[in-house]
Amino acid sequence: AQKITQTQPGMFVQEKEAVTLDCTYDTSDPSYGLFWYKQPSSGEMIFLIYQGSYDQQNATEGRYSLNFQKARKSANLVISASQLGDSAMYFCAMREDAWVGFQKLVFGTGTRLLVSP
Amino acid sequence: SQTIHQWPATLVQPVGSPLSLECTVEGTSNPNLYWYRQAAGRGLQLLFYSVGIGQISSEVPQNLSASRPQDRQFILSSKKLLLSDSGFYLCAWSGQASSGNTIYFGEGSWLTVV
Repeated sequence: AQKITQTQPGMFVQEKEAVTLDCTYDTSDPSYGLFWYKQPSSGEMIFLIYQGSYDQQNATEGRYSLNFQKARKSANLVISASQLGDSAMYFCAMREDAWVGFQKLVFGTGTRLLVSP
Repeated sequence: SQTIHQWPATLVQPVGSPLSLECTVEGTSNPNLYWYRQAAGRGLQLLFYSVGIGQISSEVPQNLSASRPQDRQFILSSKKLLLSDSGFYLCAWSGQASSGNTIYFGEGSWLTVV
């Protein structure tokens, strides 16, 4: 069964608007971590934001915030005030903490975001 | 600050030729190291991970191998490349479990097997 699901292959947003990228996950582990990465056309994977399963508050990093709804098993990325440079692939990933000692991440298939002027 | 570099950035190799991709991490000690592969239009798949020098674990059976000759050096190799080995390869590192939660990636290497 797929552990990370990103149902939006592509999203379009106008500059300065907010956009939400969806991510749902599946795990039976009570302790886990959720990540979002940005991959521009150059290929580099850029870490954006992290949410631990026991974190009480939603994670925020500048213009990025993670809308964590534990009961729904969703971890949507919200980008506020989109910029042209936000155009990229975005990947949601999960680490199950049963993998002690190293971090095995399972990735979704990604969402391509295009920001228009 | 910690940095991670991998090379070469782009590689075009004929079928049956050997492969060596190298990755080094600076600014940290005893990192966990990883090799991921990304097929075109797909997410990332973990190939190998290492928690210490000489300690390599493979996630999927394949034509590739990995080695960690030094604490901050991770090498991905093949003796004979297959067409299916084409893809984008990413090296990554993370601290030990007690030191943080994030995994950081290198710039990636594009491999085309022809």
